[in-house]
Amino acid sequence: SAVISQKPSRDICQRGTSLTIQCQVDSQVTMMFWYRQQPGQSLTLIATANQGSEATYESGFVIDKFPISRPNLTFSTLTVSNMSPEDSSIYLCSVFLDPNTGELFFGEGSRLTVL
Amino acid sequence: EDQVTQSPEALRLQEGESSSLNCSYTVSGLRGLFWYRQDPGKGPEFLFTLYSAGEEKEKERLKATLTKKESFLHITAPKPEDSATYLCAVQGTYKYIFGTGTRLKVLA
Repeated sequence: SAVISQKPSRDICQRGTSLTIQCQVDSQVTMMFWYRQQPGQSLTLIATANQGSEATYESGFVIDKFPISRPNLTFSTLTVSNMSPEDSSIYLCSVFLDPNTGELFFGEGSRLTVL
Repeated sequence: EDQVTQSPEALRLQEGESSSLNCSYTVSGLRGLFWYRQDPGKGPEFLFTLYSAGEEKEKERLKATLTKKESFLHITAPKPEDSATYLCAVQGTYKYIFGTGTRLKVLA
């Protein structure tokens, strides 16, 4: 398994502001993913964070709203920009330790509430 | 369209009362089916991977099985500490898709 640390664990934000979530992994990993988990809904992949290149975004998610950084093989950040109440959600960082297995390991999540 | 459906949405059991959770799926090119456990305020925790129909995996009171259309997570003689949301996910050729989960509550 892996130790995946996310900060902040929770925050309350004002409409129109931006918040950056950090994800630190205790080992080097090729693939890091950012998910959103809204109440009563399944986990939705926002983007794949690629080291040394631009993140790959899923349909419905854009870089201007969710800019991602991946400066090295153990760290990534997700920014939620110009927040609205609809962005209130849990944001989760996850990794494949071995992409061949498909087994995902998750951080504990960052719960954002936008007022 | 690739899809994962879990049932029931919520389940309450008495301690020791065995039951099963269902995960129905359609996916292009199944590469694996995964079960995760999620406790409140935590990220999902990996439980099992199943790769082909007929495969079974066990861990303590949990047993996962797989057919070509669905997977079951059997819980034998559950304890209150088994209370959690159980998520099913499938990895296909192009996508990794999660279901909405089953919220399990085991009463002492």
